[in-house]
Amino acid sequence: QEQLVQSGAEVKKPGSSVRVSCKTSRNTFSSFGITWVRQAPGQGLEWMGGIIPVLGSINYAQKFQDRVTITGDDSTNTAYMQLTSLSSDDTAVYYCARISASVPSFDYWGQGTLVTVSS
Amino acid sequence: DIQMTQSPSSLSASVGDSVTITCQASQDIKNHLNWYQQKPGKVPKLLICDASRLQEGVPPRFSGSGSGTEFSFTISSLQPEDIATYYCQQYDGLPPVFTFGPGTKVDIK
Repeated sequence: QEQLVQSGAEVKKPGSSVRVSCKTSRNTFSSFGITWVRQAPGQGLEWMGGIIPVLGSINYAQKFQDRVTITGDDSTNTAYMQLTSLSSDDTAVYYCARISASVPSFDYWGQGTLVTVSS
Repeated sequence: DIQMTQSPSSLSASVGDSVTITCQASQDIKNHLNWYQQKPGKVPKLLICDASRLQEGVPPRFSGSGSGTEFSFTISSLQPEDIATYYCQQYDGLPPVFTFGPGTKVDIK
């Protein structure tokens, strides 16, 4: 059973940035991809972007292109998502998930990280 | 960008009923369509990939079908534990770009 463990909840001021981490197993990081999905309170799922180390690729949803950076550290098998210029609209639970190697889909998920943006 | 719509946005049915959710893509996505279940307060769970492939361990009362722009997801005999919001998701390209549908909330009458 694959486990993805995310960093803890954050409270941020408007205009600041947040970085959320997602620690995986060595196999997941080297053989699969990691993606980020967010969910605002009472709202649906929104794909933000992903990193697929085996392809050497990182891509982002157009909506977040200018504000999000996804990186990976293969020495610690950890993926990171940084979101800048935060506003109250960014208050959400942020999930990392594994991108399956067989069919592009999200087969294992982290526990979620609540990011609250408030002055 | 490919847009996804789902209908209905919510439904209420009795235990044992068959319920169907539809998902429509704004352009042809072949069978590149996944379905997720999210129970209240829980992490989403992948149920079906590539329109109709049931994930291991998912009860066979769940099924999916469709291709192109029209897809459907069916629970053949609704159970109390199926109360959840169900999302379709398309993927396109390499590296893949993903889009979720807005979700369908399923309740028990």
